[in-house]
Amino acid sequence: DIVVTQSPESLALSLGERATINCRSSQSLLYFSNNKNALAWYQQKAGQPPKLLISWSSTRESGVPDRFSGSGSETDFTLTISRLQAEDVAVYYCQQYYSTPRTFGRGTKVEIK
Amino acid sequence: QVQLVQSGTEVKQPGASVRISCKTSGYIFSSHYIHWVRQAPGQGLEWIAVANPSAGTTGYAQNFGDRVTVTSDKSTTTSYLDLSRLRSEDTAVYYCARESPRPGPFDYWGQGTLVTVSS
Repeated sequence: DIVVTQSPESLALSLGERATINCRSSQSLLYFSNNKNALAWYQQKAGQPPKLLISWSSTRESGVPDRFSGSGSETDFTLTISRLQAEDVAVYYCQQYYSTPRTFGRGTKVEIK
Repeated sequence: QVQLVQSGTEVKQPGASVRISCKTSGYIFSSHYIHWVRQAPGQGLEWIAVANPSAGTTGYAQNFGDRVTVTSDKSTTTSYLDLSRLRSEDTAVYYCARESPRPGPFDYWGQGTLVTVSS
């Protein structure tokens, strides 16, 4: 199974600050047929199911604000929230979909300081 | 619009079984895999299983052994998760989620079903 390691566990920042969340995979997620990385980022607010933010490591889903961006390749990935807003308070998860079982990082809780 | 609507809260005794349904609409059921994920109280997301509604094939996380079964009913566009021999550690919110064109992330999720296992 692919192990996905996410850090930090939690993050407390002031409004407008930059948030950076890291995700590392135990093997490359570079998908041969399209040369893209099979890594997604989800946002989960309290009492809600997860919401897909980013697919293929850097493609923002429709309607996701452009302050959210994903980067990285093969085994090392980053989710960046460029200017933290109050509505971004949530737990963020990375997930690999390169192979089954589909594995998630343990989550990063983002709070406002 | 795409919707995944799950069945309601369940309270079960240890050793019992539970069935959770996931009624889908707004897309071609056979064209997307359905995954099941759970979240224990205050914990992260744990992948359980996947079903291919078109071929009827399935895949399971190893740590559930033979306790879990997922099925798909194309006539009602509904996916089911069956979990048997319940124990307290199975207390969690269970989600179904649709996979975007394979391989893909989970683009739509059900609202979640709380299963509480308690004597």
